[in-house]
Amino acid sequence: GAVVSQHPSWVICKSGTSVKIECRSLDFQATTMFWYRQFPKQSLMLMATSNEGSKATYEQGVEKDKFLINHASLTLSTLTVTSAHPEDSSFYICSAAHRLAGKDEQFFGPGTRLTVL
Amino acid sequence: KNEVEQSPQNLTAQEGEFITINCSYSVGISALHWLQQHPGGGIVSLFMLSSGKKKHGRLIATINIQEKHSSLHITASHPRDSAVYICAVRSGTDKLIFGTGTRLQVFP
Repeated sequence: GAVVSQHPSWVICKSGTSVKIECRSLDFQATTMFWYRQFPKQSLMLMATSNEGSKATYEQGVEKDKFLINHASLTLSTLTVTSAHPEDSSFYICSAAHRLAGKDEQFFGPGTRLTVL
Repeated sequence: KNEVEQSPQNLTAQEGEFITINCSYSVGISALHWLQQHPGGGIVSLFMLSSGKKKHGRLIATINIQEKHSSLHITASHPRDSAVYICAVRSGTDKLIFGTGTRLQVFP
């Protein structure tokens, strides 16, 4: 099956530092990857859509200068939380679109738990 | 009103019980996903449906496009089925619209 990995699985950092999260599609090429954020006991919220070789499309209310997304290859997208603050503490999940049997399906990574002190 | 509504929000069951989780949506869709999220946070895609019914092991998912409704059934539930089950629909673009999830606990 299609596998998506994320690294790191958890990270603790000090306020003001930047954190990079990687999302990789391990056995397929993904032209589109998605970044989500999930706060405790809430559903996933789409942050941005990342297309290989082009700028990411951010959802309303998501600061593109704070959440830098790079999709440099068909198997890797990165999310960098710049100058992180405690309110950025959250669970970040990526997904990758994979075309199967003529239909696009999303496969999710295991998530990265970010804690900003 | 959310575009994707799930019921119930919380569900407890005894091992072996038949479980149904419902999802209603108010937008036109090209596909509906059922996802499972375990306490550690990782998400597993259970089904992607655009019509009819799919079965995988003890899990069955159905969708009625006319009524804009889908159900996820778990037969012979087991404590390891305890998780949050999330309904998500794809409307127009590749973006998914998520329901708020149903928290299931199955007790031995």
